[in-house]
Amino acid sequence: EIVLTQSPGTLSLFPGERATLSCRASHSVSSNYLAWYQQKPGQAPRLLISGTSNRATGVPDRFSGSGSGTDFTLTISRLEPEDFAVYFCQRFDTSPMYTFGQGTRLEMK
Amino acid sequence: EVQLVESGGGLLHPGGSLRLSCAASGFTFSSYWMHWVRQIPGKGPVWVARIDRDGSGTDYADFVQGRFTISRDNVKNTLFLQMNSLRGEDTAVYYCARALAGWGCMDVWGQGTTVTVSS
Repeated sequence: EIVLTQSPGTLSLFPGERATLSCRASHSVSSNYLAWYQQKPGQAPRLLISGTSNRATGVPDRFSGSGSGTDFTLTISRLEPEDFAVYFCQRFDTSPMYTFGQGTRLEMK
Repeated sequence: EVQLVESGGGLLHPGGSLRLSCAASGFTFSSYWMHWVRQIPGKGPVWVARIDRDGSGTDYADFVQGRFTISRDNVKNTLFLQMNSLRGEDTAVYYCARALAGWGCMDVWGQGTTVTVSS
């Protein structure tokens, strides 16, 4: 079973700083099938990035994704107040078909 | 506006049954694969099931073990999840989500409906 491990668990930064979130897979993941989501309290997850690096409609260009194989990264270039949330990575493959990471909480310092 | 609205959640005893619904609007529902995903607050989402465009093909997470059935009504633009033999560990917020074709992820999510299984 493929496990996605996100780090750090919590990231404390100031608005305007750069955030780098990591997602490491226990087995290689196709770059086409690695996604990132943002979730705010009381809300559903929101798709940010598909296919490792493709921003979803309406996602600001300060969000970018990169990586390959087992190591993937979500970068937020300059944090805005609305970016403080929980972020999940997700992969698609064979059984189990869809796996999510445990999340990184991005909190305002 | 593209929208998914879940309903049908509630509080029930172990062993009980529940049918969740997800009403879709703002897009051609019959053109999309659909998913159910659940989440315990404070934890990562967990994929439950998916269904193809015409409902002829379905897939489930291993933990479902034949207890849940995903289905759809493309005339009424509605997705369903029939849940039987419910257990305490099925307690979660259940989301329906639209598949982003070809990319193995979900691009539109409903607001979720809460299922609580407790004696």
